[in-house]
Amino acid sequence: TQLLEQSPQFLSIQEGENLTVYCNSSSVFSSLQWYRQEPGEGPVLLVTVVTGGEVKKLKRLTFQFGDARKDSSLHITAAQPGDTGLYLCAANTGGFKTIFGAGTRLFVKA
Amino acid sequence: GAVVSQHPSRVICKSGTSVKIECRSLDFQATTMFWYRQFPKQSLMLMATSNEGSKATYEQGVEKDKFLINHASLTLSTLTVTSAHPEDSSFYICSARERRGVNEQFFGPGTRLTVL
Repeated sequence: TQLLEQSPQFLSIQEGENLTVYCNSSSVFSSLQWYRQEPGEGPVLLVTVVTGGEVKKLKRLTFQFGDARKDSSLHITAAQPGDTGLYLCAANTGGFKTIFGAGTRLFVKA
Repeated sequence: GAVVSQHPSRVICKSGTSVKIECRSLDFQATTMFWYRQFPKQSLMLMATSNEGSKATYEQGVEKDKFLINHASLTLSTLTVTSAHPEDSSFYICSARERRGVNEQFFGPGTRLTVL
């Protein structure tokens, strides 16, 4: 069974702090996505990484795909209350099915 | 990004009735649509995968006669919860994928179902 392990599961930090969320697996993936979901809404796609070692930046968010394409990280610099939400990583080995991590619930206090 | 709509956003029904939820891709053709269920403070649980014009593939433990899925066109999939019971109350989310080989899924805003 392929699994995506996300850590930490829950994170509560002060505004302005930095944080990193990890998504790990023993499987190799053809692509990996990060989503953010706010309460009562559907997940919103933040980024897709495809190439091993790839780094993508989205304002204060930096996404990295591991060289072996088995893991990924999301780093947020100077977190703001608006970053609060559930962060989900998702991956696909090339078939139809996508597997999701259990999610990291982030709460940024003002 | 691509836009996926879901309707209704919220529904309350009596036990024993059936509820239909629509999922539409607004600005792209979705080769594949997915239906998920999400319990409070948990991740997404895939219920079924549907490809346009063919029968849906259900995940283990999901009753296909309970959750009827129709994917009649490249822009519309429907989920019907038949004979709903209180334990079916949940947040249902659909997603659509535009192209094979690129796994980006675009999610609808979700439907909150409450069965009394």
